[in-house]
Amino acid sequence: GAVVSQHPSRVICKSGTSVKIECRSLDFQATTMFWYRQFPKQSLMLMATSNEGSKATYEQGVEKDKFLINHASLTLSTLTVTSAHPEDSSFYICSATTDLYEQYFGPGTRLTVT
Amino acid sequence: SQQGEEDPQALSIQEGENATMNCSYKTSINNLQWYRQNSGRGLVHLILIRSNEREKHSGRLRVTLDTSKKSSSLLITASRAADTASYFCATDYGGSNYKLTFGKGTLLTVNP
Repeated sequence: GAVVSQHPSRVICKSGTSVKIECRSLDFQATTMFWYRQFPKQSLMLMATSNEGSKATYEQGVEKDKFLINHASLTLSTLTVTSAHPEDSSFYICSATTDLYEQYFGPGTRLTVT
Repeated sequence: SQQGEEDPQALSIQEGENATMNCSYKTSINNLQWYRQNSGRGLVHLILIRSNEREKHSGRLRVTLDTSKKSSSLLITASRAADTASYFCATDYGGSNYKLTFGKGTLLTVNP
C-alpha cells in the first residue's frame, strides 16, 4: 500500500522557536496533502488542505501565519509552526492522496513546546 | 458542526468477543470510512463504504451504513488483544472537496 512518512516523529522545542515538520509520500505522487492536529484522547481536526504548487487552504480558526504550509513537490509537504508556544504542543498528522477517495496517513509528529 | 459522533466512547471486552462501535453524522455524505489508530501512532484505513452501499465486509470487519438514520456501525468479530486501539469514523461530502471530518472515536480495549 501507499506509504507516507513524517519527520521528525518527536520534537521538543523552546517557546518562541519555529519547528518544521515534513510529510512525504514515498511511493506515489500526492496531488493533495492534508494536515491534521490531534489533542490527547481527542479526534483529528483538519488544519489545512495543501495542493502542490498552490497556496494551502486553511480551516476556519487556523492561523495561516502561524502554521505555514509549503507543498513544493508532489511528494513533499512541510508544516512550520512559527513562534511556537506551549499551547501548540500536540500530535500533528499529515495525509496524502491521489484520487481523493482514500487518504494515506503518516505516523504523526509529537510536538512538545517547553 | 461536528460530524461523526461515535459511541461508545470506550469499550472493554474479552478476547474472542465481538465489538460493535457506532457512528452518527448530521448531514448527507458521499462516503464514510473507518480508521484505526494505535496509541501515539498514525491512522490505518480499515474500510470505506459509499453512500449507496448498505454493508461491507473485510476479513473480521463488517460495516453497515444506514443513510436514513445517518448512522454506521463497525463490527469486529472474534476480537483479539491486538485489536486494542481507537477507532474513528470519518465522512466526506464528495464534489471537489474530499475533506474528511472525523468523529471523536471509540477506544476499544480487548483483554486477553
